Amino acid sequence: EDKVVQSPLSLVVHEGDTVTLNCSYEVTNFRSLLWYKQEKKAPTFLFMLTSSGIEKKSGRLSSILDKKELFSILNITATQTGDSAVYLCAVASGTYKYIFGTGTRLKVLA
Amino acid sequence: GAGVSQSPSNKVTEKGKDVELRCDPISGHTALYWYRQSLGQGLEFLIYFQGNSAPDKSGLPSDRFSAERTGGSVSTLTIQRTQQEDSAVYLCASVLAGGFRDTQYFGPGTRLTVL
Repeated sequence: EDKVVQSPLSLVVHEGDTVTLNCSYEVTNFRSLLWYKQEKKAPTFLFMLTSSGIEKKSGRLSSILDKKELFSILNITATQTGDSAVYLCAVASGTYKYIFGTGTRLKVLA
Repeated sequence: GAGVSQSPSNKVTEKGKDVELRCDPISGHTALYWYRQSLGQGLEFLIYFQGNSAPDKSGLPSDRFSAERTGGSVSTLTIQRTQQEDSAVYLCASVLAGGFRDTQYFGPGTRLTVL
């Protein structure tokens, strides 16, 4: 059965800290891996990764995929209280299906 | 509209009642997903619509759940004879075209509480 596992489940840090969120997967017919940020209800798209070893960056956020070891990490540097959210990892499989992990709940304290 | 909208935003119902949840996708988007997110869980795939093709209903948890998409636009998810375990946030997402070329845009969700 396809699965996506995220760790840690939750994390509390102080502003300015750097965090690393993990996502491992066992999915047949892998197409890509995506990261989303969910603050209230609607997840918002952060990154899509398809190739191993190529880092995607957006401001203080960056992500990389290892297709050999079947995992991805999401790094957030110099965290701010506005980064507090649930971060979801999803794997695109087949032609249209996404398999989501349970998410990592990040809380950044001022 | 600018984004995906869903209604109602919150719904409280009694066990055994039927509920209808609505999703208005972004105009011109051909693909639409429904997901369920239970407390502390990730998104669980329910159903996928793509253009005029038959929908993929493989994620619907029981025959009490059904969904339709009229005119290739608005979609409704219907839950009959609701149970307490149906309590969750129901999210829909629309995509410009099928496949993985384009990003999913999520609506704000409907929080369903079954008493």
